[in-house]
Amino acid sequence: DIQMTQSPSSLSASVGDRVTITCRASESVSSDLNWYQHKPGKAPEVLIYGASTLGGGVPSRFSGSGSGTDFTLIIDGLQPEDFATYYCQQSFRNPRSFGPGTKVDIK
Amino acid sequence: EVQLVESGGGLVKPGGSLRLSCAASGFTFSTYAMNWVRQAPGKGLEWVSSISGSTTYIHYADSVKGRFTISRDNAKSSLYLQLNSLRVEDTAVYFCARTSDYCTSTTCYRWFDPWGQGTLVTVSS
Repeated sequence: DIQMTQSPSSLSASVGDRVTITCRASESVSSDLNWYQHKPGKAPEVLIYGASTLGGGVPSRFSGSGSGTDFTLIIDGLQPEDFATYYCQQSFRNPRSFGPGTKVDIK
Repeated sequence: EVQLVESGGGLVKPGGSLRLSCAASGFTFSTYAMNWVRQAPGKGLEWVSSISGSTTYIHYADSVKGRFTISRDNAKSSLYLQLNSLRVEDTAVYFCARTSDYCTSTTCYRWFDPWGQGTLVTVSS
């Protein structure tokens, strides 16, 4: 199975900050890498698919990059509604494993 | 509007069974693969199972293989997850999610969208 790791596991940031979250796969997943945002009590929502394509309706302050084993999610200009937990997920092979998550909270 | 609504969660004793349902609307259900994903209290997301639109392809996480069964009724636009031999560690919010995809001439990308709000399964004596 492909193992996914994320760093950091949590971070504190202020509104307007640029936030960078990294995700690493235990083997190459090509560009089959997705990012999700999850808020407590809500349904998770896709932010990025195919490593760098913005999901429908997702603000342009979110961006994704990378291929192979190393990926990055950037939030450029953090907004109050962005405080949440972010997960990467590989869709290269079953099981479609998730990373452990990165919790972004208010500094 | 594309929507997924889960139901069937509840409190069950270890060793017990439960059947979760996910009602889909707003899209042609039979043409999409579907998934179950769970989140244990204080933990991250864990993919549980997936089923193709025609039910030809079914996959399970090792943690539930042999105990959980995924199924679907395309006529009713519904997805199911039968949970048997439940363990305390199966306690979680269970989400259903649709597999969405985008294909170019050389590759296909797949992701989970949308997701339902989830249904809570608590396994406790």
